[in-house]
Amino acid sequence: KQEVTQIPAALSVPEGENLVLNCSFTDSAIYNLQWFRQDPGKGLTSLLLIQSSQREQTSGRLNASLDKSSGRSTLYIAASQPGDSATYLCAVLGVSNDYKLSFGAGTTVTVRA
Amino acid sequence: ETGVTQTPRHLVMGMTNKKSLKCEQHLGHNAMYWYKQSAKKPLELMFVYSLEERVENNSVPSRFSPECPNSSHLFLHLHTLQPEDSALYLCASSQDQAGTGELFFGEGSRLTVL
Repeated sequence: KQEVTQIPAALSVPEGENLVLNCSFTDSAIYNLQWFRQDPGKGLTSLLLIQSSQREQTSGRLNASLDKSSGRSTLYIAASQPGDSATYLCAVLGVSNDYKLSFGAGTTVTVRA
Repeated sequence: ETGVTQTPRHLVMGMTNKKSLKCEQHLGHNAMYWYKQSAKKPLELMFVYSLEERVENNSVPSRFSPECPNSSHLFLHLHTLQPEDSALYLCASSQDQAGTGELFFGEGSRLTVL
């Protein structure tokens, strides 16, 4: 069974600092990995999707890397802003888990003005 | 606005009530999903529909009954729920049938069972 872990569970940084969020998974046979953002009481917003054949994806200030062999992904957010405060979740779609995304519990980020 | 709309946003019900959650997607996607998000727990997949056919029932109790009348609409019918069923219920859709594409989520329906 795929296990997805996100460490740390919470992170607080001053505005302008770069954010580094970690995601690890136990089964390296994956279709893709997706990073989401969730604001309190709201749904999930997709940030980046990395296919298993890719090493990274970029969108604006966001960059996500994928190292399948070591079962790790990292989300970098450059020059953080208070508006980046949210919970960030990673989810992995395993080859042996059709239709089932395995989610991490998330990292809650607070960016202090 | 993600193109996936859920109603109601908040619902309070007693254990003997019957209610329904509704999801509508305007993205032309082929697959729709129900997820449950409880406090301090990872999201749990409940049901998957692909081209209106249920392709996954992830060991969900029968007091939750999904319905997918067409590829744009998905319902979750609720009856005789328990207080531990209180959670945020999220609907999602994806372009392809195999669940390998990007997921788009609605805002969720916050359910409280008294």
